Amino acid sequence: DTAVSQTPKYLVTQMGNDKSIKCEQNLGHDTMYWYKQDSKKFLKIMFSYNNKELIINETVPNRFSPKSPDKAHLNLHINSLELGDSAVYFCASSPMGGSYEQYFGPGTRLTVT
Amino acid sequence: TQLLEQSPQFLSIQEGENLTVYCNSSSVFSSLQWYRQEPGEGPVLLVTVVTGGEVKKLKRLTFQFGDARKDSSLHITAAQPGDTGLYLCAGAGDSWGKLQFGAGTQVVVTP
Repeated sequence: DTAVSQTPKYLVTQMGNDKSIKCEQNLGHDTMYWYKQDSKKFLKIMFSYNNKELIINETVPNRFSPKSPDKAHLNLHINSLELGDSAVYFCASSPMGGSYEQYFGPGTRLTVT
Repeated sequence: TQLLEQSPQFLSIQEGENLTVYCNSSSVFSSLQWYRQEPGEGPVLLVTVVTGGEVKKLKRLTFQFGDARKDSSLHITAAQPGDTGLYLCAGAGDSWGKLQFGAGTQVVVTP
């Protein structure tokens, strides 16, 4: 069984569109995250939720809106996509805050044309 | 902002050689983690070090946390092609332990 899964794996879309990425973890973890990895492989945290509550909200454009319907799911909705949003987006989970081990999903490669 | 600097950025060696990757910061971290990421996949946790001066071994990989908990190193002995990957260090600092990742070291081990 996959521990942290993301859909879709690849997403190609045009500027101005709205898209969503879904994430699910079956590890029973309390905390979930969204990270963005740019073309230089730099991994930067975007959001963190603990038990459906937003805990970390980095300086991210408000076009990005995370939603956690329950502690096993964390989705990311992006409005009005821009070229600079092209990146790989990773979902991760951990038993408790970021001090503990994080388990990453396989990533979603978003390409905005 | 707690900045983690990794060096070198890229390392290409032959099978059987040893290598060391460094992770340095001017900030103190409550813990530091090393991950390995392969193409098309998410990072996978290798180890977590918590105590200053701590040394952990994972088969041919040796991880060390600096005494002041500001830096760390990863040493691979007798590297194998399967060790190829992007090695990322990540430090946890504030109360929620938000992880700060280094930029990564790309390691390529050729047969």
